[in-house]
Amino acid sequence: AQSVAQPEDQVNVAEGNPLTVKCTYSVSGNPYLFWYVQYPNRGLQFLLKYITGDNLVKGSYGFEAEFNKSQTSFHLKKPSALVSDSALYFCAVSGLNTGGFKTIFGAGTRLFVKA
Amino acid sequence: GAVVSQHPSWVICKSGTSVKIECRSLDFQATTMFWYRQFPKQSLMLMATSNEGSKATYEQGVEKDKFLINHASLTLSTLTVTSAHPEDSSFYICSARGAQGATSYNEQFFGPGTRLTVL
Repeated sequence: AQSVAQPEDQVNVAEGNPLTVKCTYSVSGNPYLFWYVQYPNRGLQFLLKYITGDNLVKGSYGFEAEFNKSQTSFHLKKPSALVSDSALYFCAVSGLNTGGFKTIFGAGTRLFVKA
Repeated sequence: GAVVSQHPSWVICKSGTSVKIECRSLDFQATTMFWYRQFPKQSLMLMATSNEGSKATYEQGVEKDKFLINHASLTLSTLTVTSAHPEDSSFYICSARGAQGATSYNEQFFGPGTRLTVL
């Protein structure tokens, strides 16, 4: 079955430290991979996506993610966390093999950045 | 980038009434729109997929007579929660995707969500 796993419910980091939010996927074929951020009572904001090309993708607010096909991972990273990065982060995948480009979401990882 | 709006952003209604939520693509033509439901501290659950001019495809377990979806134009889809009950209280999010061949085809663009509270 097609799926996306975010193994950590919560990630805690200190402001100024690097952060990583993990994501692995199980989708056949060539997936499209996305990261979204959600603030309380708000919709999803797009951060970045990988469709093809360079495995390292740079996105909004200084975030980046690396597509690793052999490990089927797409971890989200930022070199220096800000308190304002505290939010709920969703990894998502879509493609031909997810039922006609339906988007499958991970369970979400809550990021807490402490000042 | 492509912008999707939702209206209303929040609504409170009495049990037994019906509520309509609108999803609009503001700067592109959305051949496909998706409706999601999100419970507190949980991920998004796809409810249905609607293609312009045709009937919506509902996910397993979603009552099509309860959640009526209309996608009458390339920029507007509506979700009507009929005879709403407190258990229908949730955060409803729509997303839209453009036509095949358009730059807006490869990803979904999300609306800001609608918070429904049924008393």
